[in-house]
Amino acid sequence: DAGITQSPRYKITETGRQVTLMCHQTWSHSYMFWYRQDLGHGLRLIYYSAAADITDKGEVPDGYVVSRSKTENFPLTLESATRSQTSVYFCASSGGSGRARYTQYFGPGTRLTVL
Amino acid sequence: ILNVEQSPQSLHVQEGDSTNFTCSFPSSNFYALHWYRWETAKSPEALFVMTLNGDEKKKGRISATLNTKEGYSYLYIKGSQPEDSATYLCASIPRGDRGSTLGRLYFGRGTQLTVWP
Repeated sequence: DAGITQSPRYKITETGRQVTLMCHQTWSHSYMFWYRQDLGHGLRLIYYSAAADITDKGEVPDGYVVSRSKTENFPLTLESATRSQTSVYFCASSGGSGRARYTQYFGPGTRLTVL
Repeated sequence: ILNVEQSPQSLHVQEGDSTNFTCSFPSSNFYALHWYRWETAKSPEALFVMTLNGDEKKKGRISATLNTKEGYSYLYIKGSQPEDSATYLCASIPRGDRGSTLGRLYFGRGTQLTVWP
């Protein structure tokens, strides 16, 4: 089905483990984003990408790594998970034409718990 | 970091009440303003995209206005219903150097609306 998907939807891991969250979109959108949802902060941008092989830091990039070798995929890796990275992670994409091309379409979210 | 402010932080109203909330953003280098609706345990969904000063958008009982000169947007809900309960996010896109944008949205922290039956 067309759209934006995230996997896994739920993940429990331990402190110090490496975790990769996957994001896949079928629209060929050029922009992709990773956010985390934190109480009192709303959505905070971790990393974003304007195209394949182009990534940039957002507000809270420390402890995270991204790559974008293909337009449709934008994985987010927590190199050594910490309890403070317990959160709900949303992937989003945007593209198209006109001024609405920056409208972001969000995936269903991944709930990550770090013990 | 672009500072986008939303007020109030939360709002509780009775079913049938009309309500409104505010989004403030830097007026310089403005490109576009987005509103999103975010229900609990779901993902944010786009409501409106506004680009021109004086823009007004409407979807059912929800409408929004934009003032780019003074840097604010209002979201109005007429006759609130329990299903309107959600967090409403606004996001600004600034115009960067050379007139382009980075494609990145700067989100406010949202206004959490609860409508009691």
